[in-house]
Amino acid sequence: DAGVTQSPTHLIKTRGQQVTLRCSPKSGHDTVSWYQQALGQGPQFIFQYYEEEERQRGNFPDRFSGHQFPNYSSELNVNALLLGDSALYLCASSLVQGPTGTQYFGPGTRLLVL
Amino acid sequence: SQKIEQNSEALNIQEGKTATLTCNYTNYSPAYLQWYRQDPGRGPVFLLLIRENEKEKRKERLKVTFDTTLKQSLFHITASQPADSATYLCALSGGSYIPTFGRGTSLIVHP
Repeated sequence: DAGVTQSPTHLIKTRGQQVTLRCSPKSGHDTVSWYQQALGQGPQFIFQYYEEEERQRGNFPDRFSGHQFPNYSSELNVNALLLGDSALYLCASSLVQGPTGTQYFGPGTRLLVL
Repeated sequence: SQKIEQNSEALNIQEGKTATLTCNYTNYSPAYLQWYRQDPGRGPVFLLLIRENEKEKRKERLKVTFDTTLKQSLFHITASQPADSATYLCALSGGSYIPTFGRGTSLIVHP
């Protein structure tokens, strides 16, 4: 049973560029959440997708957008990159009807903005 | 504003001892509290969930307590091993089930 997978593993961009990160959820899961984790901090919730719609959103600007596909995989897009966007971006999947709040995280994508 | 506090200093203990990590919170009435383990460069791994009406939860060598009066959770690892060395994250969630994470405490178990 494949867990949550993310691509790419590492990425280097320059300020002002745009980036797309990808996530495939754990088999059987229908809900995908994205988090940003700065060095030495806990993960911060960006948004959650279910049934191809953004269901909840954290305190992140509109430069952060996403998408969920019919196969439940998801993308995170960040426009007009800032130096402060450098972080580990984590995808987590869960089953809406499953144990409350239990999420399975992927290995993350390390983004460096120069 | 909601605040979750975990010891920023690393906890160093000897193998075989019990490690106890603390999670305190303010301005929050969580319905659920979770503990995750995170290894360097990896995503967090879910360990335990405890509900607000539960005082204690156990899983193998792990034990979590949840005191909603003190607004505190304690996370214990008994008979600790060097392989338990990692960062442990506390996360709180309410009705939306979206967890809010603390910054984590690093645990180092010395052989």
